[in-house]
Amino acid sequence: GAGVSQSPSNKVTEKGKDVELRCDPISGHTALYWYRQSLGQGLEFLIYFQGNSAPDKSGLPSDRFSAERTGGSVSTLTIQRTQQEDSAVYLCASSFRRSETQYFGPGTRLLVL
Amino acid sequence: AQSVTQPDIHITVSEGASLELRCNYSYGATPYLFWYVQSPGQGLQLLLKYFSGDTLVQGIKGFEAEFKRSQSSFNLRKPSVHWSDAAEYFCAVGNNDMRFGAGTRLTVKP
Repeated sequence: GAGVSQSPSNKVTEKGKDVELRCDPISGHTALYWYRQSLGQGLEFLIYFQGNSAPDKSGLPSDRFSAERTGGSVSTLTIQRTQQEDSAVYLCASSFRRSETQYFGPGTRLLVL
Repeated sequence: AQSVTQPDIHITVSEGASLELRCNYSYGATPYLFWYVQSPGQGLQLLLKYFSGDTLVQGIKGFEAEFKRSQSSFNLRKPSVHWSDAAEYFCAVGNNDMRFGAGTRLTVKP
């Protein structure tokens, strides 16, 4: 079956612009996660959605970052007023339930000039 | 607070040699433990996981890992490394609030 998909695969933007990154999880997966991977760094947890519960936003680095998940499926990560330090690969993962194996998408590589 | 430490940033081994990648964690209870591999230009792929039961778990591609509660470790091993194993390896622990280590980059010498 289809895996986790993310779009766009690459995004180049100018400092100060807003960007939206999209994640399509595996059908039937109730849990969805966003991570950020900076060059040479591990994965930094950003936000977690579980079903219709309030998301765990504890990893969002600033109020410029937000995410939503519509209809318990597709998720959008929005970065407002992008900064150069936001340049990274943004990874989305989904799992059937919380605590179970996460399946990762290919990521969106964001470059802020 | 939970955390994951992968002490080795970069490891180089010869093809055919054995491999051990270290992972230590700090967690309030027995966590779920995972190893993922990220090949160049690829997404993360699960190698193996430990939830409970037998502390020696087998994964894909000939990898195994052993959970040692007394040492708070979950080291990844492979008896004979292949050139295609060159990649970045990430240890992860947690529940819904997963935490990943910084990764260990494996280089395989011919």
